[in-house]
Amino acid sequence: DIQMTQSPSTLSASVGDRVTITCRASQIISIWLAWYQQKPGKAPKVLIYKASTLHSGVPSRFSGSGSGTEFTLTISSLQPEDFATYYCQQYNSYPYSFGQGTKLEIK
Amino acid sequence: EVQLVESGGGLVQPGGSLRLSCAASGFIFSSHWMHWVRQAPGKGLVCVSRINGDGSSTTYADSVKGRFTISRDNAKNTLYLQMNSLRAEDTAVYYCARESDGSGWFDPWGQGTLVTVSS
Repeated sequence: DIQMTQSPSTLSASVGDRVTITCRASQIISIWLAWYQQKPGKAPKVLIYKASTLHSGVPSRFSGSGSGTEFTLTISSLQPEDFATYYCQQYNSYPYSFGQGTKLEIK
Repeated sequence: EVQLVESGGGLVQPGGSLRLSCAASGFIFSSHWMHWVRQAPGKGLVCVSRINGDGSSTTYADSVKGRFTISRDNAKNTLYLQMNSLRAEDTAVYYCARESDGSGWFDPWGQGTLVTVSS
């Protein structure tokens, strides 16, 4: 099974900051990676798929990059509604697996 | 509007059984792989099982193999998860999710249903 490792686990930032979250796969997954945002008590929502494709309706301040085993999610200018937990997910092979999550907190 | 609505969660004793349902609307249900994903309290997301569009192919995580059964009724646009021999470690919010694009990312997700296994 493919293991996904995110860093950092917690990130403190302020409105307007640029932040980057990293996700590493234990083996090559090409570009088969998605990013999700989850708020407390709610289901995850997809932000990005195929490593860098922005899902419909997602603000352009979110962007993704990477291929192979290393990937990043960048938020260019944090907004109050962006404080949440973010997960990466590989879908190169089943069982699809998620990173442990990055909690983005208000500084 | 594309929508998934889970039901069937609740409190069950260890060793007991529960059947979850996921009602789909707003899309051609039979055209999509469907998944169950769970999240233990305060923990991350874990894929539990998946099923293809016509129900002929299923896959399970090792942790639930032999205890859980995924199925679907395309006439009723409904996905199921039959959970037997439940353990405390199965306690989680269970989400159903549609596999979009045929490639493995999930959109949308249902709102989730809480399963608590405790005596």
